[in-house]
Amino acid sequence: DIQMTQSPSTLSASVGDRVTITCRASESISRWLAWYQQKPGKAPKLLIYKASSSESGVPSRFSGSGSGTEFTLTITGLQPDDFATYYCQEYNSDYSFGQGTKLEIK
Amino acid sequence: QVHLVQSGAEVKKPGASVKVSCKASGYTFIGYYLHWVRQAPGQGLEWMGWINPSSGDTNYAQRFQGRVTMTRDTSISTAYMDLSRLRSDDTAVYYCARERGSGTSSGLTFWGQGTLVTVSS
Repeated sequence: DIQMTQSPSTLSASVGDRVTITCRASESISRWLAWYQQKPGKAPKLLIYKASSSESGVPSRFSGSGSGTEFTLTITGLQPDDFATYYCQEYNSDYSFGQGTKLEIK
Repeated sequence: QVHLVQSGAEVKKPGASVKVSCKASGYTFIGYYLHWVRQAPGQGLEWMGWINPSSGDTNYAQRFQGRVTMTRDTSISTAYMDLSRLRSDDTAVYYCARERGSGTSSGLTFWGQGTLVTVSS
């Protein structure tokens, strides 16, 4: 099974900050990676697919990059609505999720 | 618009089985794979498997092999996830979710509201 490891597990930041979350795969997944945002009590929301393609309606402050085994999600200019938990998911083979990164208000 | 509506909360005893339904509307049911993802209380997301509603083909995560069965009824645009031999650590919210693209993997765009399954003696 492919293991997906996110870092950090928790991230404290302020409104307006630029933050980056990293997701590493245990083997190459090409660009078959998605990023999701989840708020408490809600279903996840797809932000990014194919490593860097933005889902329709997602604000441009969210961007993804990477290929192979290392990927990043960057939020430029944090807004109050962005404080949530973020997950990566590979869909090259096992559809495994990372363990999540909780983005907290500093 | 696309909607996935899941069945209601369930309480089951250890060793029992649970069947969760996911009724789709607003798109061609057989055109998009459906996945099942679960989330234990306070924990992360765990992928369980997918079903191709057109063919009925399935692909299950290894850890659920032998315990999970995913089926569908195309006449009513509904998918089902059956989990057997329930244990307390199966207590979780179970989600169905639809692939973004038709015939190709590209992330899960539409999600059901989730079904809480509680396993307790």
